Amino acid sequence: QKEVEQNSGPLSVPEGAIASLNCTYSDRGSQSFFWYRQYSGKSPELIMFIYSNGDKEDGRFTAQLNKASQYVSLLIRDSQPSDSATYLCAGRSNDYKLSFGAGTTVTVRA
Amino acid sequence: DVKVTQSSRYLVKRTGEKVFLECVQDMDHENMFWYRQDPGLGLRLIYFSYDVKMKEKGDIPEGYSVSREKKERFSLILESASTNQTSMYLCASSSRGPFKGTQYFGPGTRLTVL
Repeated sequence: QKEVEQNSGPLSVPEGAIASLNCTYSDRGSQSFFWYRQYSGKSPELIMFIYSNGDKEDGRFTAQLNKASQYVSLLIRDSQPSDSATYLCAGRSNDYKLSFGAGTTVTVRA
Repeated sequence: DVKVTQSSRYLVKRTGEKVFLECVQDMDHENMFWYRQDPGLGLRLIYFSYDVKMKEKGDIPEGYSVSREKKERFSLILESASTNQTSMYLCASSSRGPFKGTQYFGPGTRLTVL
């Protein structure tokens, strides 16, 4: 079993809708979590990270962490065609490595 | 802004060749990583380094070696390239300071082994 699992997708949403991405993790020692966006043929770029229970908002993006249930989610509000990409969830449990999920591909329909 | 650069965007090599992929970061990060990414398999860690001359195996180190002689530079070496090493190779770096764990990626090298 992978340390970080993402809902497999792909996810297709209409423009202006909310895209909801979920991620669960198995290591209770995981301390912080990261969401990356990766456009086709490009490298991952950081969207945001979260390490406290609750919500963290950054523009149209909201990350949610629930350590008791061991899940992390990312909401994209007012989805735009430019949000079409693969989103990677990652968890950190030590000083060095991140464990990445397989990614969820999001398509925003104009 | 953090900048991670990789020596080549695209590389074509022959089976059996020795291949060097270079990565340089300019943010004085302690940690550096090499991943490969293949469709359906996600990001897989090959090797990482947490200090100069220090290295640790990741999940798929077979067929690869690494070198870190200077803090800013981390090289991935394919001793004898094989066709199953055709992949996208991504380098990343991170700090052990504030925001530790956040990995910043280079643009990637798409390697084709013929």
